[in-house]
Amino acid sequence: AQKVTQAQTEISVVEKEDVTLDCVYETRDTTYYLFWYKQPPSGELVFLIRRNSFDEQNEISGRYSWNFQKSTSSFNFTITASQVVDSAVYFCALADSWGKLQFGAGTQVVVTP
Amino acid sequence: SQTIHQWPATLVQPVGSPLSLECTVEGTSNPNLYWYRQAAGRGLQLLFYSVGIGQISSEVPQNLSASRPQDRQFILSSKKLLLSDSGFYLCAWSSTGAPPNTEAFFGQGTRLTVV
Repeated sequence: AQKVTQAQTEISVVEKEDVTLDCVYETRDTTYYLFWYKQPPSGELVFLIRRNSFDEQNEISGRYSWNFQKSTSSFNFTITASQVVDSAVYFCALADSWGKLQFGAGTQVVVTP
Repeated sequence: SQTIHQWPATLVQPVGSPLSLECTVEGTSNPNLYWYRQAAGRGLQLLFYSVGIGQISSEVPQNLSASRPQDRQFILSSKKLLLSDSGFYLCAWSSTGAPPNTEAFFGQGTRLTVV
């Protein structure tokens, strides 16, 4: 069975601080797909990144960066120089071969001015 | 470009009443379609998924059912709502085929309150 663990329930930071969200996954599949989604207060899930299990390159997109480490089954997400607009719930998810997503419990990020 | 529409945005229904939530996708053909529910407390759970017209797979036993009468239409239904059916329902689509070489895109969601 697949499982995604986001141990951090809530993280509070002051604007311009960096924040790292942890994600640990479990799967028996040798090929798998990991995702991060953002859920702002409006509720819609916004796709941030997809990572295939055979591509361990880390990625940076603006203030966002992701660290994928197969050896520790982790796919962590860092927001650099956080802004108030980053306040949201962030979900890590693992997809099976049918595209069905197993989500973590989510991490609430609160950025205060 | 592809878009996904989900309605209504909010719904308040009495216990025992029927339910019908609709989701449509534009700009793509033969998508994989999904219904997720987010109960209070944030967790997202997959309820149903469909890889084609009339093909529905249920992930968890429940009071709900799903149908796909057309290629890009996905409907979530219930004959008699329970209090426990309250939650935030999200429809999603992804490109057809396996493995999932694309991400899933989500609708705006429907907030259902059963009273």
